[in-house]
Amino acid sequence: QVQLQESGPGVVKPSETLSLTCTVSGASIRGDDSHWNWIRQRPGKGLEWLAYIHYSGSSNSNPSLMSRLKISVDTSKNQVSLTLHSVTAADTATYYCARDPYLGAFDLWGQGTAVIVSS
Amino acid sequence: EIVLTQSPATLSLSPGEKATLSCRASESISSVLAWYQQKPGQAPRLLIYESSARATGVPARFSGRGSGTDFTLTISSLEPDDFAVYYCQQRSDPATFGGGTKVELK
Repeated sequence: QVQLQESGPGVVKPSETLSLTCTVSGASIRGDDSHWNWIRQRPGKGLEWLAYIHYSGSSNSNPSLMSRLKISVDTSKNQVSLTLHSVTAADTATYYCARDPYLGAFDLWGQGTAVIVSS
Repeated sequence: EIVLTQSPATLSLSPGEKATLSCRASESISSVLAWYQQKPGQAPRLLIYESSARATGVPARFSGRGSGTDFTLTISSLEPDDFAVYYCQQRSDPATFGGGTKVELK
């Protein structure tokens, strides 16, 4: 079965760049006509959609973060990556990778990776 | 962006009771609304998509309805495993989530 696994640095210093990776196992991203998404959840708070990408490279990002955020896909490694520049304490959150198979909903989620922004 | 408002914030119920959760959109979203269940320390789990379609493996006690701006998630008879936080979500760019409803044990 298809599984998603996020990985990240755990702790990032303020003003630095956060890099996260989502590894897809059990299926090829290239063979899956889905949008691959990043969603985050600040501690004790709700969910915030960040961006999605298709294996073709087409993507979209939340306007609130678009200037700091980049999403990319590496089909050879079956990975989707997220880069967030100039992080602040407000970026402290659990970051999830999730699949949307054109349902308008996220049917598969990774377990999430926690990121703390702290000096 | 479309704002989703969930009510109530907290629902205190007992096992076997019926739970009715509401989600209101700031503008019409047709029927493109999903519901998720989240337990502490876990990722959200998709329950309902397209307002009323149950995701794979979701028990029949979960049902969704609504269109336009008003949506409802109903749990017909609460099981102990159903006590959790529930979020609604819409897909018009940017996708947004409601603030959540916590269903807690009374």
